[in-house]
Amino acid sequence: AQSVAQPEDQVNVAEGNPLTVKCTYSVSGNPYLFWYVQYPNRGLQFLLKYITGDNLVKGSYGFEAEFNKSQTSFHLKKPSALVSDSALYFCAVRGFSGGYNKLIFGAGTRLAVHP
Amino acid sequence: DTAVSQTPKYLVTQMGNDKSIKCEQNLGHDTMYWYKQDSKKFLKIMFSYNNKELIINETVPNRFSPKSPDKAHLNLHINSLELGDSAVYFCASSQGLTSGRTQETQYFGPGTRLLVL
Repeated sequence: AQSVAQPEDQVNVAEGNPLTVKCTYSVSGNPYLFWYVQYPNRGLQFLLKYITGDNLVKGSYGFEAEFNKSQTSFHLKKPSALVSDSALYFCAVRGFSGGYNKLIFGAGTRLAVHP
Repeated sequence: DTAVSQTPKYLVTQMGNDKSIKCEQNLGHDTMYWYKQDSKKFLKIMFSYNNKELIINETVPNRFSPKSPDKAHLNLHINSLELGDSAVYFCASSQGLTSGRTQETQYFGPGTRLLVL
């Protein structure tokens, strides 16, 4: 089965503190993993992806994610949170439909950074 | 320059009506998608077109009919709108989304907020 789990509906963090948004996946074969961010009333913006190579992936706005194959996880991290990071974050994994690739999204995690 | 654009941004209509949403991308991509985001923010793929051909149809009701006049455009027509169709519809595009190739990043439009009364 192809799936993505984001176990936290919401993550609260104080500005300046490190943040982690969790994601675990289930997919056959090598996983291709993505993080997207959605600001209120906006479309999804690509943050970063893991295809192969270094397990630590760096992306936009100071975000990074760590791929852990043994734990089937791809947690999103940032060393120092900003109030402007408050948004909805989606983890996604490449799945398959009729021989074609598709993205399977998690349910999303709302990040709230308070001053 | 807007990479993926959608019109209209908002759409309020009565049950039973027929409506269309348009999407255009200027990224030169060969694959386009429609996603539905429900009230709980859950995001699910509906359709995917590669080079104007339908490649993914995720058990969407027949009332939904996508059309791709060319690689840069993917429109979504919805017949006999129902209350449950109220959602945000996102268009996206990517390059080279065929099986066996490296997964390319999908770029999303701003969304069309559909409200069926």
